[in-house]
Amino acid sequence: ILNVEQSPQSLHVQEGDSTNFTCSFPSSNFYALHWYRWETAKSPEALFVMTLNGDEKKKGRISATLNTKEGYSYLYIKGSQPEDSATYLCAFNESFQKLVFGTGTRLLVSP
Amino acid sequence: DAMVIQNPRYQVTQFGKPVTLSCSQTLNHNVMYWYQQKSSQAPKLLFHYYDKDFNNEADTPDNFQSRRPNTSFCFLDIRSPGLGDAAMYLCATSRPGRNTEAFFGQGTRLTVV
Repeated sequence: ILNVEQSPQSLHVQEGDSTNFTCSFPSSNFYALHWYRWETAKSPEALFVMTLNGDEKKKGRISATLNTKEGYSYLYIKGSQPEDSATYLCAFNESFQKLVFGTGTRLLVSP
Repeated sequence: DAMVIQNPRYQVTQFGKPVTLSCSQTLNHNVMYWYQQKSSQAPKLLFHYYDKDFNNEADTPDNFQSRRPNTSFCFLDIRSPGLGDAAMYLCATSRPGRNTEAFFGQGTRLTVV
């Protein structure tokens, strides 16, 4: 059974704080690693799809890194805003068809 | 414009009464997934289609079936819902390929009474 672990489970920060979360995944049979943001009452939306060891991707204040050899990815949010409040899910692609999710990190940003 | 649409958003069904959840997509993607998410848990892959090829996860109960009559539509049938099947059901689509993201519907929240 594939295990994708995320930590922390939840996080409460103040507006302007920077924060980061971790996703751990199997280091064998790596195909791709995805990050999604899931806001309440909306659909999960893709942030990044990462495929190469050492990948770093950035979208505005959010960035992510990937280490496939040791099986982890970090997601960073710089200067958190209340609109960043959401659950952040990572998902491991074992093959192009199979996407296995972690439990997510629930982020709350207070004004 | 929503590209993956799930209906209904909320579904209440009686214990043991068959229920069908639907998903449609306008993206023409080959792959369609069904996930079940229970409170505070990871979305769990139930099965997926690559075109008409059906792939069932080994631990998906027999109570759960799926149909994909064409590229655009996919259905999740729960033959005899139990209280333990109450969950959020998410449909997603993607193209095959390494750098492709999945697109999700808003989910159907199933309650079993």
